[in-house]
Amino acid sequence: AQTVTQSQPEMSVQEAETVTLSCTYDTSENNYYLFWYKQPPSRQMILVIRQEAYKQQNATENRFSVNFQKAAKSFSLKISDSQLGDTAMYFCAFMVGFNSGGSNYKLTFGKGTLLTVNP
Amino acid sequence: NAGVMQNPRHLVRRRGQEARLRCSPMKGHSHVYWYRQLPEEGLKFMVYLQKENIIDESGMPKERFSAEFPKEGPSILRIQQVVRGDSAAYFCASSPRLGALTGNTIYFGEGSWLTVV
Repeated sequence: AQTVTQSQPEMSVQEAETVTLSCTYDTSENNYYLFWYKQPPSRQMILVIRQEAYKQQNATENRFSVNFQKAAKSFSLKISDSQLGDTAMYFCAFMVGFNSGGSNYKLTFGKGTLLTVNP
Repeated sequence: NAGVMQNPRHLVRRRGQEARLRCSPMKGHSHVYWYRQLPEEGLKFMVYLQKENIIDESGMPKERFSAEFPKEGPSILRIQQVVRGDSAAYFCASSPRLGALTGNTIYFGEGSWLTVV
């Protein structure tokens, strides 16, 4: 079974600064995908970024980037130039990849990190 | 292109009543997933459906919960005889094909918040 751990229940950052949210996971699979989802006060689940485990290059989406360390099973999210609209709960999630014989459609979520961006 | 549509957004039920949550997947999507988010928790998988088929219901409570995705119309998550512990956010998600084949990108609706009083 896969597990996802987010060790920081809450974090805060000043507007325009950089913050890193941590995530570790445990799996015996070699082919999988990792995601960060954002849940703002509106409570919608919004995909922020995704990473394929077979890709060595870290994924980047504008101000959001990840530091994927496969051997360490670590998948941290860096938010640069933080904006007030980044205030949200951030969830790290894991999915088994295709041909792994597993449930390659189930997302396993961590418990989340509440990020507050202060003006 | 409309996203995943869920209704109602908020639902209040008294203990013992039934709750019905509806989900219309994104256009062209034939795979639907339901997740539940309990207070202070991440989302947890409940069930995966295709049109007229339940593929995986391993995350569904054994009693009182059921789901369907008929040939026509939205997917429905039904909770009979609700109890206070059913109070949660219920998210529906969809994908055009099996999750893995779409680059494993699954799109979520805005959620339905059930409160049992």
